[in-house]
Amino acid sequence: QVQLQESGPGLVKPSQTLSLTCTVSGGSISSGGYYWSWIRQHPGKGLEWIGYIYYSGSTYYNPSLKSRVTISVDTSKNQFSLKLSSVTAADTAVYYCARDPGIAVAGTPGWFDPWGQGTLVTVSS
Amino acid sequence: QSALTQPASVSGSPGQSITISCTGTSSDVGSYNLVSWYQQHPGKAPKLMIYEVSKRPSGVSNRFSGSKSGNTASLTISGLQAEDEADYYCCSYAGSSPYVVFGGGTKLTVL
Repeated sequence: QVQLQESGPGLVKPSQTLSLTCTVSGGSISSGGYYWSWIRQHPGKGLEWIGYIYYSGSTYYNPSLKSRVTISVDTSKNQFSLKLSSVTAADTAVYYCARDPGIAVAGTPGWFDPWGQGTLVTVSS
Repeated sequence: QSALTQPASVSGSPGQSITISCTGTSSDVGSYNLVSWYQQHPGKAPKLMIYEVSKRPSGVSNRFSGSKSGNTASLTISGLQAEDEADYYCCSYAGSSPYVVFGGGTKLTVL
């Protein structure tokens, strides 16, 4: 079964760029049929969708973060990545990667399964 | 402020049924049968419980069911068990921009 694992620095300084990678095992990103997503959760708060990428490189971002977000894919490593620039304390959150199987099942993105375990990123000097 | 509105908390006794509502708009919940629900226990990643409004992934108990009417979706948990105590989030596809919207989450307490 497909498993996802986030990795990256747990501490980022204000104004710098947050960089995380999600490694996919048990399935190939390049097989198509799925969107690969980043979602975050501020401490004690709800979930916020950050964006999607398809294996072809097509990306879709949350309009509220679009100016600072870049999601990329490396099919040779079976990984996809998140970069969030100009971070502030408000970007402190647990960051999850997840697969959206909607395309394969319903012809459109629509839900998230499975999820990675999440990684806490703290923005602080 | 979340795009989808959920009650902050609900509670029920073991064996009872509870329903969590999720209200959106005609641009998200009302337009697409792509509402999903997630269960999150403290310190854990969310787990998919319902997708496409009312479908259950393999392995999810049939005590969990979903429905939708107009701009409001609902998650019903029957035969409440202690292990159901968790946070529940609804989510809807919202078309082109913002694409995906989540609810603010509902804390379920099993009394």
